[in-house]
Amino acid sequence: DIQMTQSPSSLSASEGDRVTITCRASQSISSYLNWYQHKPGKAPKLLIYAASSLQTGVPSRFSGSGSGTDFSLTISSLQPEDFATYYCQQTYTTPRTFGQGTKVEVK
Amino acid sequence: QVQLQESGPGLVKPSETLSLTCNVSGGSINGYFWSWIRQPAGKGLEWIGRLSTSGNINDNPSLKSRVTMSADTSKSQFSLNLSSVTAADTAVYYCARETVAGSGRSLDYWGQGTLVTVSS
Repeated sequence: DIQMTQSPSSLSASEGDRVTITCRASQSISSYLNWYQHKPGKAPKLLIYAASSLQTGVPSRFSGSGSGTDFSLTISSLQPEDFATYYCQQTYTTPRTFGQGTKVEVK
Repeated sequence: QVQLQESGPGLVKPSETLSLTCNVSGGSINGYFWSWIRQPAGKGLEWIGRLSTSGNINDNPSLKSRVTMSADTSKSQFSLNLSSVTAADTAVYYCARETVAGSGRSLDYWGQGTLVTVSS
């Protein structure tokens, strides 16, 4: 299985901060990397697909980059509704695997 | 707007089979892979498996062949059976659609999730 490792596991930030989360794959996954936002009691929401493509309806403050094994998700100016847990996922092969999650908390 | 809704028992006894159904509305069930994902309390997301309406199935080897999945296109539904459950299978179970867009594959629509507890 391809292991996905996110860092940090959690972070504290304030509204307006620039936040970057990284995700590393245990082998090359080309650009088959997605980012999801998950809030308690809600369905996960697709933010970024194919490493850097913004899902329709997602605010432009979210961006993704990377290819091969190293990826990142950036929130350019954190908004109150962005406090959540973020997961990366590889869809290069099955079994699909997720990172362990990064919880973005209020500072 | 595509919507997915999970349904099934919220309580399953140890050693029995967990059975869930996902109803798809607002779009065709054909031409996509349909996935199951779960999240134990306080833990991350775990991919269980996926199936297509043409019969292709992939599941997670970590579940040791306990997974069975099927689709009923006439009802726009797909189902998950997980056999020989233990307390470790207690989780919120989500269904989701896997789609191909551009150069990627992603889970673009998700159900709200349903909590399944394994307990006697």
